Amino acid sequence: EDQVTQSPEALRLQEGESSSLNCSYTVSGLRGLFWYRQDPGKGPEFLFTLYSAGEEKEKERLKATLTKKESFLHITAPKPEDSATYLCAVQAGYGGATNKLIFGTGTLLAVQP
Amino acid sequence: GAVVSQHPSWVICKSGTSVKIECRSLDFQATTMFWYRQFPKQSLMLMATSNEGSKATYEQGVEKDKFLINHASLTLSTLTVTSAHPEDSSFYICSARGGQRYYGYTFGSGTRLTVV
Repeated sequence: EDQVTQSPEALRLQEGESSSLNCSYTVSGLRGLFWYRQDPGKGPEFLFTLYSAGEEKEKERLKATLTKKESFLHITAPKPEDSATYLCAVQAGYGGATNKLIFGTGTLLAVQP
Repeated sequence: GAVVSQHPSWVICKSGTSVKIECRSLDFQATTMFWYRQFPKQSLMLMATSNEGSKATYEQGVEKDKFLINHASLTLSTLTVTSAHPEDSSFYICSARGGQRYYGYTFGSGTRLTVV
């Protein structure tokens, strides 16, 4: 069964304290791994898509990496406005059953000033 | 580009009534739309997938007769919660995916449903 696991469940950082969030996956036929940010009471906001092992993408203080088993979201020198829930999702499968995303449970990040 | 509008943002309804939630792709044609439910401090749970002009495919355990999904055009999908009960209170989120130049998944802003 396809599975996506995120860790830690919650993370509290001081402003400027860099860290990483983990997304481990067990799926048949990875077609894409997505990172989203979700603020309370809002829908997920797209951050990155990674398609193959070794791929990396960056945006401001965030950098996403991908291996054959997991993805990391690195946060460099975070600011309080980076506080949110970060969701990882995978698109997997073969043939026609490849449309839906399987979400992890998310990591709640709190950055204190 | 790739904007999905979801309305209403919140709704309160009486037990036994029906509520309709709209999801529109504003700047692209969404061949596939998805409906999710999210409980407090939990992740998104996929309820159903709908393709334009076809019947929706529901995930296991989701009642088709309670959660009616219509995807009548390439820019609009609706979710109707029929005969709502307090246990249907939740945060509902739609997502849209385009079939031509846009292959990403864009999410709406969500609808907070409270059934009293």
